[in-house]
Amino acid sequence: EVQLGESGGGLVQPGGSLRLSCAASGFTFGSFWMMWVRQAPGKGLEWVALINQDGSEKYYVDSVKGRFTISRDNAQNSVYLQMNSLRAEDTAVYYCVRGQWGANWGQGTLVTVSS
Amino acid sequence: DVVLTQSPLSLPVTPGQPASISCRSSQSLVHSDGNTYLHWFQQRPGQSPRRLIYKVSNRDSGVPDRFSGSGSGTDFTLKISRVEAEDVGVYYCMQGTHWPPYTFGGGTKVEIK
Repeated sequence: EVQLGESGGGLVQPGGSLRLSCAASGFTFGSFWMMWVRQAPGKGLEWVALINQDGSEKYYVDSVKGRFTISRDNAQNSVYLQMNSLRAEDTAVYYCVRGQWGANWGQGTLVTVSS
Repeated sequence: DVVLTQSPLSLPVTPGQPASISCRSSQSLVHSDGNTYLHWFQQRPGQSPRRLIYKVSNRDSGVPDRFSGSGSGTDFTLKISRVEAEDVGVYYCMQGTHWPPYTFGGGTKVEIK
């Protein structure tokens, strides 16, 4: 069974940083693209970042370019999202997602950016 | 960026009756490889999204056969043949043909009358 478990969310002040982690199991992690999708409170889904199987390709939505960094550790079956210079509009539940077609989603981790 | 427009925004349905959700794209979603990367997701209240349909019409494992997807080019539809109480939630379409960025529709809320 595919399992994705996010962690690292919390309350952070504007301008601060957080690192989200996603632990994966139940599939051959190194064979899949992985992405992060977020959902602001009461809002729809927004794609944030994507990384290929070996980490050599990374893509971001314009609103986070230069502030967020996606990475992965295939030995640890984990994908990460380093978030810097956080803004109030980054407040959302962040989901870890397997594959470019959104095959499986984690339970999400809430990031709140507020003073 | 590709804009996906879903309609209706809200869909009250009587149990046992059919439901249909539209997803229209600002440009054709046919990829140069011949595939159309349009997928559908269900998000029940308080839960994470779950994929129902991938590449227009392929149902995911464990998804009831009352769910079906169809369409081509810029117009796509998710149909529920007979709505059940467990189908309540928000449904999203997503395109992965012209990326980055991947984009989602705004969502359609299905509720029971």
